Amino acid sequence: DVKVTQSSRYLVKRTGEKVFLECVQDMDHENMFWYRQDPGLGLRLIYFSYDVKMKEKGDIPEGYSVSREKKERFSLILESASTNQTSMYLCASSQGWRYEQYFGPGTRLTVT
Amino acid sequence: KNEVEQSPQNLTAQEGEFITINCSYSVGISALHWLQQHPGGGIVSLFMLSSGKKKHGRLIATINIQEKHSSLHITASHPRDSAVYICAVLSPSGGGADGLTFGKGTHLIIQP
Repeated sequence: DVKVTQSSRYLVKRTGEKVFLECVQDMDHENMFWYRQDPGLGLRLIYFSYDVKMKEKGDIPEGYSVSREKKERFSLILESASTNQTSMYLCASSQGWRYEQYFGPGTRLTVT
Repeated sequence: KNEVEQSPQNLTAQEGEFITINCSYSVGISALHWLQQHPGGGIVSLFMLSSGKKKHGRLIATINIQEKHSSLHITASHPRDSAVYICAVLSPSGGGADGLTFGKGTHLIIQP
């Protein structure tokens, strides 16, 4: 079974803090994704990566950066957290674009 | 960018009822995903289809490419089917920031 794990289920941070969300997959998948999910807006793509050190912006990259130094690990970084970044963050991985995506359990981030 | 509409947004039904959730999209696609999200956040891929029909247990997914429409059916519904069901479409190019577009989800509650 594919397993995608995220470093925290719940996280509370203060405005201005630097926040790291980590995602690890164990199936040697090429593609990894970071989404945020908000009520009434659905899932929105923040960034994705199609190879080590390769990344592309999604629909809402502002305020975020990413890092993929190893194939199995994809990190989402909030350089200076703001209250409007309070959300559920979901990581996913896939063998390729034409294959199903496997999701992690999500991190519910609250910025106060 | 594709526009994905799901209906209904919310659905409450009695155990045993036949359930239908609909998904319509605005431009041609290469594939469509149906996802399930239980309370607590985790998302599971149910189906990926590009034509015809797929069945898994009590779940059936159909797609009509000409009509730009897909349906997810649940037969003999059970309270454990209560979840948010999300439709996502893959663009013909298959990748990039426009690759996968998500609907806002259908919140299904099955009452005993």
